[in-house]
Amino acid sequence: NAGVTQTPKFQVLKTGQSMTLQCAQDMNHEYMSWYRQDPGMGLRLIHYSVGAGITDQGEVPNGYNVSRSTTEDFPLRLLSAAPSQTSVYFCASTEGGWEFFGPGTRLTVL
Amino acid sequence: GNSVTQMEGPVTLSEEAFLTINCTYTATGYPSLFWYVQYPGEGLQLLLKATKADDKGSNKGFEATYRKETTSFHLEKGSVQVSDSAVYFCALSDRGGRRALTFGSGTRLQVQP
Repeated sequence: NAGVTQTPKFQVLKTGQSMTLQCAQDMNHEYMSWYRQDPGMGLRLIHYSVGAGITDQGEVPNGYNVSRSTTEDFPLRLLSAAPSQTSVYFCASTEGGWEFFGPGTRLTVL
Repeated sequence: GNSVTQMEGPVTLSEEAFLTINCTYTATGYPSLFWYVQYPGEGLQLLLKATKADDKGSNKGFEATYRKETTSFHLEKGSVQVSDSAVYFCALSDRGGRRALTFGSGTRLQVQP
């Protein structure tokens, strides 16, 4: 049981490049979410999903897309990276009020 | 909307000192409340939680009591250790809507030997 896994662990992009942050969970949780963590601001919700085929926007969705084709996977896409998206990204899955976080992806956009 | 306010850090204490990190919240309805801890270079780990008024969450010597009358969920520990040095996040989960967490800005704790 690996819990919540994220890849890559680190990534450097140039402005305008696109990429996908991967997130997977093996706990069969319906609810998954993406957060970004910035200094002095705690974690902010980007997008979330209440089950396969269903996604919705969180607090800071602009510049990010998500899809949920399976219960296990919840990838986050940056279509055209901007320096303002430099952050640490955490994926989480939730069951019964318990939120399980992945180890995070540190993204730098130059 | 929902919000969580934590005391500013960093908090610097000597080993075996008493710790309090204040947390207050604003929410509609009756949220669940959480404390998460983030050790250097790691992700967030759930430390403790409480789901209704007057509940006390506890783990690893840390405690927090859900106070509905003061909308607070202060984190306490009687005797901190160097290994407790980390960033602590207070958070709430709205039981209705999205169920996603609303986080405070985090409080860095530094414990000196």
